[in-house]
Amino acid sequence: QQPVQSPQAVILREGEDAVINCSSSKALYSVHWYRQKHGDAPVFLMILLKGGEQKGHDKISASFNEKKQQSSLYLTASQLSYSGTYFCGTETLSNTGNQFYFGTGTSLTVIP
Amino acid sequence: NAGVMQNPRHLVRRRGQEARLRCSPMKGHSHVYWYRQLPEEGLKFMVYLQKENIIDESGMPKERFSAEFPKEGPSILRIQQVVRGDSAAYFCASSLLAGTGANVLTFGAGSRLTVL
Repeated sequence: QQPVQSPQAVILREGEDAVINCSSSKALYSVHWYRQKHGDAPVFLMILLKGGEQKGHDKISASFNEKKQQSSLYLTASQLSYSGTYFCGTETLSNTGNQFYFGTGTSLTVIP
Repeated sequence: NAGVMQNPRHLVRRRGQEARLRCSPMKGHSHVYWYRQLPEEGLKFMVYLQKENIIDESGMPKERFSAEFPKEGPSILRIQQVVRGDSAAYFCASSLLAGTGANVLTFGAGSRLTVL
């Protein structure tokens, strides 16, 4: 039930781009992306609801392919502040409620 | 409007003792999720609760662990007879609605349990 993320870790120089992938074996209702720094509380980045939806703010965007049950997070022209661990969260619906499972995380380090 | 409040932030227990972790969801949120995170690892789902109901506890160990979310007061994650392997950060998250697709989870700062 836990989604699979790749890569596990990536190191970038400022200004470089990165893509983080997330896939699930279950039918998804939505995909969420969070960022966690230094073991603090994960912070919400964005939610994607519909198949094929793309969203973004600033230079961070994401896409969601509902049919393939996959999502990708795109970080362009990376900044030092982008460093952290990125988690995708998958939401599935059941009769009893919504279930959220998180991927294993992708550690992103941006260096000057 | 306070966010998700977790306490204690840090808890040290000796093997065999009990640990109680508390989570007060955001105001108006009636759905609570607990996750465990080991160092350098992901967020592992433990349990999903609504007020007075356990909706999904498939991620929680069958023994020693229990959770509740009473009508009044915070949600509590209880670990009895703790062992060293229970040492981890325990995060609580809350959400407002179910089934709408706009179910953003807001996380607390976590409770870090160390078992000596």
